[in-house]
Amino acid sequence: DIQMTQSPSTLSASVGDRVTITCRASQSISSSLAWYQQKPGKAPKLLIYKASNLEIGVSSRFSGSGSGTEFTLTISSLQPDDIATYHCQQYNSYSRTFGQGTKVEIK
Amino acid sequence: EVQLLESGGGLVQPGGSLRLSCAASGFTFSDYAMNWVRQAPGKRLEWVSVISGSGADSSYADSVKGRFTISRDNSKNTLYLQINSLKPDDTAVYHCAKGITWGGVIVIEGFDYWGRGTLVTVSS
Repeated sequence: DIQMTQSPSTLSASVGDRVTITCRASQSISSSLAWYQQKPGKAPKLLIYKASNLEIGVSSRFSGSGSGTEFTLTISSLQPDDIATYHCQQYNSYSRTFGQGTKVEIK
Repeated sequence: EVQLLESGGGLVQPGGSLRLSCAASGFTFSDYAMNWVRQAPGKRLEWVSVISGSGADSSYADSVKGRFTISRDNSKNTLYLQINSLKPDDTAVYHCAKGITWGGVIVIEGFDYWGRGTLVTVSS
């Protein structure tokens, strides 16, 4: 199975900060990567697909980049509503594996 | 507005069975493959199973193969997951999730809509 590793596991930043989350794959997954936002008790929400494509209706403060084995999710200016856990997911292989999640907090 | 609403979770003893349901609305249900994804407490999300739009094809994660059965009733816009021979490791919130690709065939893809999930607890 392809292993997905996110860093950091927890991130504390101030409102207005630029925030970057990294997701690394154990082998190349081309651009077959999605990012999701999940708030406690809520359904995960698709933010980015194909590594860099912004889902319709998602704030332009979110952006994704990368290909191969290294990917990033960037929030250009952190807002209180962005407090959540963020998950990456590869869909290059049958197992469709997820990262362990990154919890974003306000400092 | 797309909505997915899971039900059927609960407390079950090891070796027991449950049938989870996911009621879908806001899109043409039969046009999309549907998935189940679970998250055990403190663990990462884990894809469990997928079924094609027609219901004719399905596939499973190795961890559940032979114990879980996915199905759908397109006349009721409802997805199901029959889970048998439950183990404590199956304790998790089970989410249904809609495939992104129109057409209903099974592809390895991301998921554009998810439900909040239903909690399954396996314990004696």
